[in-house]
Amino acid sequence: SQQGEEDPQALSIQEGENATMNCSYKTSINNLQWYRQNSGRGLVHLILIRSNEREKHSGRLRVTLDTSKKSSSLLITASRAADTASYFCATVEISARQLTFGSGTQLTVLP
Amino acid sequence: NAGVMQNPRHLVRRRGQEARLRCSPMKGHSHVYWYRQLPEEGLKFMVYLQKENIIDESGMPKERFSAEFPKEGPSILRIQQVVRGDSAAYFCASSSGTSGFTDTQYFGPGTRLTVL
Repeated sequence: SQQGEEDPQALSIQEGENATMNCSYKTSINNLQWYRQNSGRGLVHLILIRSNEREKHSGRLRVTLDTSKKSSSLLITASRAADTASYFCATVEISARQLTFGSGTQLTVLP
Repeated sequence: NAGVMQNPRHLVRRRGQEARLRCSPMKGHSHVYWYRQLPEEGLKFMVYLQKENIIDESGMPKERFSAEFPKEGPSILRIQQVVRGDSAAYFCASSSGTSGFTDTQYFGPGTRLTVL
């Protein structure tokens, strides 16, 4: 599989529920980032977690990073219909600057 | 405080024509990245530039594709003799370069290229 693979590929939940998306990667990284993309639009940066961090919060978002398992998770609490979008994890490898993206999780929040 | 700007937003070309995509980074940003996104896929890195320098073009096809970021003006991604497989969304991102490998990249809205 590719660097930065998200799981599941698609997720459909009711408004108010929590949404959890997972990401696995293969190489050693400097940091891991989560982005959101609304249909047909550009990407919006959500959160960055460094390789020496284990958990980070930003509003309704909670990101965890387990470098031993080479995996990360994004939790969106109390989801809203406006959270409907594709969510991508992206890694920055050691000594690199470019982002390596996974194929994304399509989240649908039903009102 | 304008974000990253890309133009055109949509571009239609016939096979064999040239496509020029422009990207103006955020004010104060001197690092530019180009990514390509095929339908239903994530973004794939193409090239990383600083002013007047190509730093990393490892993701860019060796033929027909070129990129520049001149001292003045926008960054340009140029695709010569386009083929149908070039149809994709092309995104530009910029960063300040001040935070090293943890720089946040800010993305533009993308240019959707369709090759007929």
